[in-house]
Amino acid sequence: DIQMTQSPSSLSASVGDRVTITCRASQGIRNDLGWYQQKPGKAPKRLIYAASSLQSGVPSSFSGSGSGTEFILTISSLQPEDFATYYCLQHNSYPWTFGQGTKVEVK
Amino acid sequence: EVQLEESGGGLVQPGGSLRLSCAASGFTFSSFWMHWVRQAPGKGLVWVARIDNDGRSTTYADSVKGRFTVSRDNAKNTLYLQMNSLRAEDTAVYFCARGFVGPDYWGEGTLVTVSS
Repeated sequence: DIQMTQSPSSLSASVGDRVTITCRASQGIRNDLGWYQQKPGKAPKRLIYAASSLQSGVPSSFSGSGSGTEFILTISSLQPEDFATYYCLQHNSYPWTFGQGTKVEVK
Repeated sequence: EVQLEESGGGLVQPGGSLRLSCAASGFTFSSFWMHWVRQAPGKGLVWVARIDNDGRSTTYADSVKGRFTVSRDNAKNTLYLQMNSLRAEDTAVYFCARGFVGPDYWGEGTLVTVSS
């Protein structure tokens, strides 16, 4: 199975801050990676697909980069509605695997 | 508008069975692969199973292989998850999601609690 190591597990930030979250794959997965945002009690929402493509309707403050084994989600200017938990997901091979999650909290 | 709505969750004893359903609308259900993903209370997301668009091919996580069966009825626009021999560690919110290259739309989930 491909292991996805996501870091940090949590971070504290303020509105307007730039935030970066990293996922590392245990083997190369090309660009077969998505980023998801989840708020408490809600379904995950896809932000980024194919590692760097912005999902329709998602603010341009979100961006993704990377290929192979290292991937980054960047929020260029954190907004109040962005406080949530973020997950990466590799869909290169089964079983699909998620990162452990990064909880973005108010500083 | 794409909508996915899970149902069928509840409290079940260890060793028991439950069948979850996911009703799809707003898109051509028969054209999409579908997935089940679960989330134990306070924990992360775990992929469980997938089925291709015509139901001929399925794949499962090792943790549920041989106990869970994913199926679909394209005439009813509905996805199913038959869960047998349930264990306490199967307690989770179960989400259905659509997609071939990573899920794009998800339902809101249904809670399954396995406890005596």
